[in-house]
Amino acid sequence: GQSLEQPSEVTAVEGAIVQINCTYQTSGFYGLSWYQQHDGGAPTFLSYNALDGLEETGRFSSFLSRSDSYGYLLLQELQMKDSASYFCAVGDGANNLFFGTGTRLTVIP
Amino acid sequence: SQTIHQWPATLVQPVGSPLSLECTVEGTSNPNLYWYRQAAGRGLQLLFYSVGIGQISSEVPQNLSASRPQDRQFILSSKKLLLSDSGFYLCACLVAGGAGELFFGEGSRLTVL
Repeated sequence: GQSLEQPSEVTAVEGAIVQINCTYQTSGFYGLSWYQQHDGGAPTFLSYNALDGLEETGRFSSFLSRSDSYGYLLLQELQMKDSASYFCAVGDGANNLFFGTGTRLTVIP
Repeated sequence: SQTIHQWPATLVQPVGSPLSLECTVEGTSNPNLYWYRQAAGRGLQLLFYSVGIGQISSEVPQNLSASRPQDRQFILSSKKLLLSDSGFYLCACLVAGGAGELFFGEGSRLTVL
């Protein structure tokens, strides 16, 4: 089976940097993805890491260490609109994604 | 790019009543399709996935069933709803060429009373 752990809540100041961690246990690993979900909305894809290291997409970066079964999402230059829930997800090699419980990010002025 | 239509967007149903949620996908062919459920303030639970017409796999034992009568149509059903079936139901497709990327519909919010 699959198990993913994330902090439930994070609060950060506008303009700052925040890191959301994700640790996983999975019987088959096929990449770590990150999704953003605003209240009442659908999740939207942010990033994907198949190999160890850092992937950067604008203000967002994602990191993976397969040996540690660990990854994180880094959000820079935080904006109020970044307040949302963030989910990590692992693929099992059969095109199925299993999601963590999510981290609710609140950005304050 | 793909588009996913889900309906109804919101529904309130009594315990014991039937359920049918529909999902149609445009802009892609032979997609992998998924049904997820999200309880209030919680993560996404994978319910069903389908790699083609008539091919359904279930991740968890439950009160629900799924069908895929056409390539781009995915239906979630129940004969008798339980209170625990309340939640936000999301249909998704795997983005072709997008490793690990799911595209989600806007969801159907079900409240069972």
